[in-house]
Amino acid sequence: EPEVTQTPSHQVTQMGQEVILRCVPISNHLYFYWYRQILGQKVEFLVSFYNNEISEKSEIFDDQFSVERPDGSNFTLKIRSTKLEDSAMYFCASGRTIYGYTFGSGTRLTVV
Amino acid sequence: GQQLNQSPQSMFIQEGEDVSMNCTSSSIFNTWLWYKQDPGEGPVLLIALYKAGELTSNGRLTAQFGITRKDSFLNISASIPSDVGIYFCAGTIQGAQKLVFGQGTRLTINP
Repeated sequence: EPEVTQTPSHQVTQMGQEVILRCVPISNHLYFYWYRQILGQKVEFLVSFYNNEISEKSEIFDDQFSVERPDGSNFTLKIRSTKLEDSAMYFCASGRTIYGYTFGSGTRLTVV
Repeated sequence: GQQLNQSPQSMFIQEGEDVSMNCTSSSIFNTWLWYKQDPGEGPVLLIALYKAGELTSNGRLTAQFGITRKDSFLNISASIPSDVGIYFCAGTIQGAQKLVFGQGTRLTINP
């Protein structure tokens, strides 16, 4: 069964450093998403991406965040200057339609 | 903003029992979805509901999209150990792509 692949599975970074989280969505999918889940809490929407541009973003997705689909297969989330409160599981998701999409296994980001 | 209130927060049951959990909102939702999350993994889609009143089954799982479009329930019949995990309801509102998630129901099963 096709999967959404995320790397790395765990990233530890110093506060203030830039991080790039990588995702390979399912190949024939058109809609791409990033969500995050702070430990023990619910999953929160960050951003959706369609047709090579951001289609929707949340209040969490401020100027410190950016997304890119650099080569038609990868989908990345960049956090420019990480803060302690950015520590969370970050999930990439993709779908052929805007409903019922597939999530990856996540990247655990720890900011120290 | 839109919020989903999911209950119960946790359940402790015996293997073989049936399980019921639900989600409610003060907002109208276009779709309702139920996900299961195992430790260290991403949410996995169990059932998707697209029409008010829709009742859908997936094996031992049954979910319904409430007539008012403000609620949904998920039932699991004859629970087995691999049903352990956190179950999330999620929904979309008209004109939005984002999924709004509930707080989750943690299911624990005693063998």
